[in-house]
Amino acid sequence: DAGITQSPRHKVTETGTPVTLRCHQTENHRYMYWYRQDPGHGLRLIHYSYGVKDTDKGEVSDGYSVSRSKTEDFLLTLESATSSQTSVYFCATGDSLQPQHFGDGTRLSIL
Amino acid sequence: AQKVTQAQTEISVVEKEDVTLDCVYETRDTTYYLFWYKQPPSGELVFLIRRNSFDEQNEISGRYSWNFQKSTSSFNFTITASQVVDSAVYFCALTNGSARQLTFGSGTQLTVLP
Repeated sequence: DAGITQSPRHKVTETGTPVTLRCHQTENHRYMYWYRQDPGHGLRLIHYSYGVKDTDKGEVSDGYSVSRSKTEDFLLTLESATSSQTSVYFCATGDSLQPQHFGDGTRLSIL
Repeated sequence: AQKVTQAQTEISVVEKEDVTLDCVYETRDTTYYLFWYKQPPSGELVFLIRRNSFDEQNEISGRYSWNFQKSTSSFNFTITASQVVDSAVYFCALTNGSARQLTFGSGTQLTVLP
C-alpha cells in the first residue's frame, strides 16, 4: 500500500460542469503526478508537482489545472468538462524520473 | 522526440509457458531510463523495474527477467513459467531524465490461461 487515495473513484457529469479530482498521499513524497489513461495511448501526463505550490504542465495539460497547497494533497480541476476528457485518471507519487506509486484511479464520464 | 513501441497488442499463453513482451524505443538522448509497469485487471498500476542507459546488464527478479540491448533499442521482458496471476496489461516507458518527458507505450495485454 503506497498510501495514495483518490476521490471520487467514479464520477459521471455533464459537459460544461466543473470537476475536481483529489489525490491524497500519506508517504510525504515530494513529487506527485496526474495521468490520464485512454485506450491505445498508454498513460499521458497531465500535470505534475515537485513541491507545495510548485507545478508544471505535462503532455496533455490543456483544459486542466492543478493545485498543491499541502504536501499530501494534489487536486486536478477540469474547469469546464468536455466529452474528450472522459477517461481514467491516475494520481501517482515518485521521484523526478518517474511515478512509482499509483492510486487506484478515478473513472470519469462526461456526458 | 522519443517513442516507445509495444507491437504486441495481445498475447495469450497457457500456464507454465514462458512469454516475452517486446519493447522497442526511439530516442536521440545518450542518457535515458527505461521502465516496465504492470496493470492487472483490478486496474491499479504497479512499477516493476527502472534501468538506465549505461547499464546493459540483464536483470532477473524471481520469474521476471529483463533484456536490455542498446544495439537494437530494445528492453524486453520475459516471464518464466507464467501463472494466471500474471494476466495483466504491461507497459514499457522511456524518459530522457525528466518525469515530464516520460513516454509510455500503448501496452501489451497478457492473458495466461489455466
